[in-house]
Amino acid sequence: NAGVMQNPRHLVRRRGQEARLRCSPMKGHSHVYWYRQLPEEGLKFMVYLQKENIIDESGMPKERFSAEFPKEGPSILRIQQVVRGDSAAYFCASSLGGQVAYNEQFFGPGTRLTVL
Amino acid sequence: GDSVTQMEGPVTLSEEAFLTINCTYTATGYPSLFWYVQYPGEGLQLLLKATKADDKGSNKGFEATYRKETTSFHLEKGSVQVSDSAVYFCALSAYSGAGSYQLTFGKGTKLSVIP
Repeated sequence: NAGVMQNPRHLVRRRGQEARLRCSPMKGHSHVYWYRQLPEEGLKFMVYLQKENIIDESGMPKERFSAEFPKEGPSILRIQQVVRGDSAAYFCASSLGGQVAYNEQFFGPGTRLTVL
Repeated sequence: GDSVTQMEGPVTLSEEAFLTINCTYTATGYPSLFWYVQYPGEGLQLLLKATKADDKGSNKGFEATYRKETTSFHLEKGSVQVSDSAVYFCALSAYSGAGSYQLTFGKGTKLSVIP
């Protein structure tokens, strides 16, 4: 009964490169959330997706960031032309439902991105 | 917008001491409230939750009560163990207005329990 899986666990990129972060939700979950944790900060919501649809991207920076959750395969968070300020831990969470406040979100172990 | 404020850490306690981590929130709607715990190098795990006023969430000896009148959800444990050493996050879930119920987190409180 695998939980939420994220890979890679650690990712190092140089400024200007692209970063791709992958998230496989728990079995049976079709709702995926991405959060970013900057050093000494709590997690900040970025985007909420259901299969093949972006539902809420209100926390996503307008440029360089994109997310997808295709019909087959994991959800991908893509950061183009990374800058040092993108260095953070990126967490993915999944839930069985998505339209009520008390739905539990199950978190993956995170991807720690370091931009040199 | 919605926000969560929790006491700054780090907090260091001796084993079997009493723990309180304060958490207050502001929200325009009627949120659900959560405590998550993060062990080193791992993701967040749900510790407990409460979905309406006066609900008490409890798990593994931890408790928190949803107090609407004081907009608080303080975490307590009567006797902490070394294994409780972790970072604790208070969070609320409320409708974002953009189609989702997203979690809003506090900054986290690092707890260290010494034998």
